[in-house]
Amino acid sequence: DSGVTQTPKHLITATGQRVTLRCSPRSGDLSVYWYQQSLDQGLQFLIQYYNGEERAKGNILERFSAQQFPDLHSELNLSSLELGDSALYFCASSPRTGSGYGYTFGSGTRLTVV
Amino acid sequence: GENVEQHPSTLSVQEGDSAVIKCTYSDSASNYFPWYKQELGKRPQLIIDIRSNVGEKKDQRIAVTLNKTAKHFSLHITETQPEDSAVYFCAASKGTGGFKTIFGAGTRLFVKA
Repeated sequence: DSGVTQTPKHLITATGQRVTLRCSPRSGDLSVYWYQQSLDQGLQFLIQYYNGEERAKGNILERFSAQQFPDLHSELNLSSLELGDSALYFCASSPRTGSGYGYTFGSGTRLTVV
Repeated sequence: GENVEQHPSTLSVQEGDSAVIKCTYSDSASNYFPWYKQELGKRPQLIIDIRSNVGEKKDQRIAVTLNKTAKHFSLHITETQPEDSAVYFCAASKGTGGFKTIFGAGTRLFVKA
């Protein structure tokens, strides 16, 4: 157990639907990052939050949004889902923002859009 | 834009041999270079990292080298074992100007027993 908790582990939904992925960072970590990993692909950075505020944005679609709550857990909302959104979504956390801190990844949420 | 290139995409070695994975980054402001190992179906895990003020770092059978001038960094695994088989990702990050970590595309390492 890495200390980063992601729920649910698996999610199957239909095209056009909306889902919410949840992440609780490791205790003491203030930064949360979301990554998308498609089959046999690399890690695509979506978005970062630090202590409740958005700090960096990557290739996140307009249909996707995220937030970090006062208790530091984060949610990634995916709407108007398409088949191509099927992927493994990882959340990671680190103690602070800025460089010099490795990430602790959660086990991921596998999203299948049918 | 910011980019991290990683080579090779696939690497197959015999057990006991060494494996080397190379990465090149584009942003000269990058100052932290972690490496992650992802076993099949599992989460990426940090295995070693290096900061820009250090040229080399070693941890048992793994080592990382950094050439800031050439903007290259490499992962070296010696005496490879079957359990080293996994996908390895390099990454580069900077702490200013919109922090984010850029990952390489990954190297799939096969260690044949």
